[in-house]
Amino acid sequence: GIQVEQSPPDLILQEGANSTLRCNFSDSVNNLQWFHQNPWGQLINLFYIPSGTKQNGRLSATTVATERYSLLYISSSQTTDSGVYFCAVVGGSTLGRLYFGRGTQLTVWP
Amino acid sequence: DSGVTQTPKHLITATGQRVTLRCSPRSGDLSVYWYQQSLDQGLQFLIHYYNGEERAKGNILERFSAQQFPDLHSELNLSSLELGDSALYFCASSVGTGGTEAFFGQGTRLTVV
Repeated sequence: GIQVEQSPPDLILQEGANSTLRCNFSDSVNNLQWFHQNPWGQLINLFYIPSGTKQNGRLSATTVATERYSLLYISSSQTTDSGVYFCAVVGGSTLGRLYFGRGTQLTVWP
Repeated sequence: DSGVTQTPKHLITATGQRVTLRCSPRSGDLSVYWYQQSLDQGLQFLIHYYNGEERAKGNILERFSAQQFPDLHSELNLSSLELGDSALYFCASSVGTGGTEAFFGQGTRLTVV
């Protein structure tokens, strides 16, 4: 299967700081998604971004498919941004099955 | 709200028992996926159904089975439960099979005691 590596594994920030989370994957993909898992365990869709750049408020993401990586940018972080951020990909022949990275645990302090 | 509904939200049961987890996909979605999230294994794919047919299997134990019904809801059956089966079980749905965006339910937190 496809290997997905996320970095850093842990990130601690003060409110207002900016951060960049990285996702590297080992093969070409049909789909790449970023999720936020909140403290209640819910997986919330952030971006569906197999290639290109998207922005949604304070969050933006860029995927460079040819170089097999994606970046998630969080600006002006807030305490509600805390949680685990997952990157997940679908390979060319995996029928929609998502391969997940191990996640980045983000803690934002007031 | 993702539009994917999972029941129950929490389940506590004893070793050796059998439970059924239920998932209703988003309206119009034909694909249903089941994932297991445990502390040591992360998020693992279990099984995929598309329009009632099994399309792919992942790390699903023989004690586990699933099906998708004509109304497209899906059930995951877990039997002969062991302590190690305690985990968060997610259902996800998507329109097709080729990597369209997947949406996740709130999950069922299973505790085996």
